[in-house]
Amino acid sequence: EAGVAQSPRYKIIEKRQSVAFWCNPISGHATLYWYQQILGQGPKLLIQFQNNGVVDDSQLPKDRFSAERLKGVDSTLKIQPAKLEDSAVYLCASSLEGMVETQYFGPGTRLLVL
Amino acid sequence: AQSVTQPDIHITVSEGASLELRCNYSYGATPYLFWYVQSPGQGLQLLLKYFSGDTLVQGIKGFEAEFKRSQSSFNLRKPSVHWSDAAEYFCAVGPEGTYKYIFGTGTRLKVLA
Repeated sequence: EAGVAQSPRYKIIEKRQSVAFWCNPISGHATLYWYQQILGQGPKLLIQFQNNGVVDDSQLPKDRFSAERLKGVDSTLKIQPAKLEDSAVYLCASSLEGMVETQYFGPGTRLLVL
Repeated sequence: AQSVTQPDIHITVSEGASLELRCNYSYGATPYLFWYVQSPGQGLQLLLKYFSGDTLVQGIKGFEAEFKRSQSSFNLRKPSVHWSDAAEYFCAVGPEGTYKYIFGTGTRLKVLA
């Protein structure tokens, strides 16, 4: 079974630029999550999708971050404009519907904002 | 407020030695408890989880954890560490049946040959 795929794996941008990350969850997983993991900290949930609908985006900085999952499968997370403090690893995870306590994580995208 | 504390930022052990990683949580009810491992350049992999029942939980890769309600702890153990266990370990806590996990800050494990 293929795992959660993410791209790119690394990205370096300058502040005020925009950036987008892509995630393809495990086949059949209806629930998708984006996490932000700042160096030295544990992951923090940014947004959760159930199919193509947003369940929880309470911790997403909506002035600069956006996410979509148009067809209920893969998802993109965008930052525009980026700030220095956005430097982090962005993790995507997925789970089966009704089993949200068991999440499978992708390898992450490491973002450095200069 | 819910919180998770992993008191040890770094731990170094020799290969073949036993390991215990500490995790303390603050939560009003019985939480769901998890241990994840993150190898360099990899995503988080679930080692084990506790929802209810037997307080000693067996996981993958020879790891186990014990839930101690009186101490609000969920420590991870392994009787004999292998060099491939070098990684960062995260404890997480979440309300029953939800996705709202709170992760600890992690413990980085180094294994000496």
